[in-house]
Amino acid sequence: EPEVTQTPSHQVTQMGQEVILRCVPISNHLYFYWYRQILGQKVEFLVSFYNNEISEKSEIFDDQFSVERPDGSNFTLKIRSTKLEDSAMYFCASSVLTGGAYEQYFGPGTRLTVT
Amino acid sequence: GESVGLHLPTLSVQEGDNSIINCAYSNSASDYFIWYKQESGKGPQFIIDIRSNMDKRQGQRVTVLLNKTVKHLSLQIAATQPGDSAVYFCAENRNTGRRALTFGSGTRLQVQP
Repeated sequence: EPEVTQTPSHQVTQMGQEVILRCVPISNHLYFYWYRQILGQKVEFLVSFYNNEISEKSEIFDDQFSVERPDGSNFTLKIRSTKLEDSAMYFCASSVLTGGAYEQYFGPGTRLTVT
Repeated sequence: GESVGLHLPTLSVQEGDNSIINCAYSNSASDYFIWYKQESGKGPQFIIDIRSNMDKRQGQRVTVLLNKTVKHLSLQIAATQPGDSAVYFCAENRNTGRRALTFGSGTRLQVQP
């Protein structure tokens, strides 16, 4: 069964450093998303991406964040200058339809630890 | 403001019993709801969804009920198994061109053997 994959599974970085989290969405999906989950808290939406541009973003997704689809398979989240409060699980998701949320399938996540 | 919340943080059931996990939402514009299961160290796993033009939808061992009058959503798991132990989240999506999911705070289901 197709699934969303993410790398790395765990990333440790120092405050102020740049990190890039990588995702390979399900191959026939058209919409891509990033969410994060701070330990013990709710899953929070960050950004959605369609047709090579951001279609929606939350207040969390400030200028420190960017997303890119550098090729036909990868979808990345970059944090330019990490802060301690960026420590969280970051989940990539994808969905097949363009008209709504519709069954977003999540990857296993990348645990980001900022020290 | 908008919120999607859960009534009970932890639900403990005996193996073989039926489980009911509840969720309240406050956004009357929400037209699509999803239940996710999250096991420790893993990403949310899609269980079942329902649109606001329905009040019930059944899957394999799971049923979702939607009561729009009181803005209440529930997930029923039949014959609960140890493998069902996880945190369950409800999530909503508004039909305003948004695709973001707003997640609830989660209910931990513990299945006792």
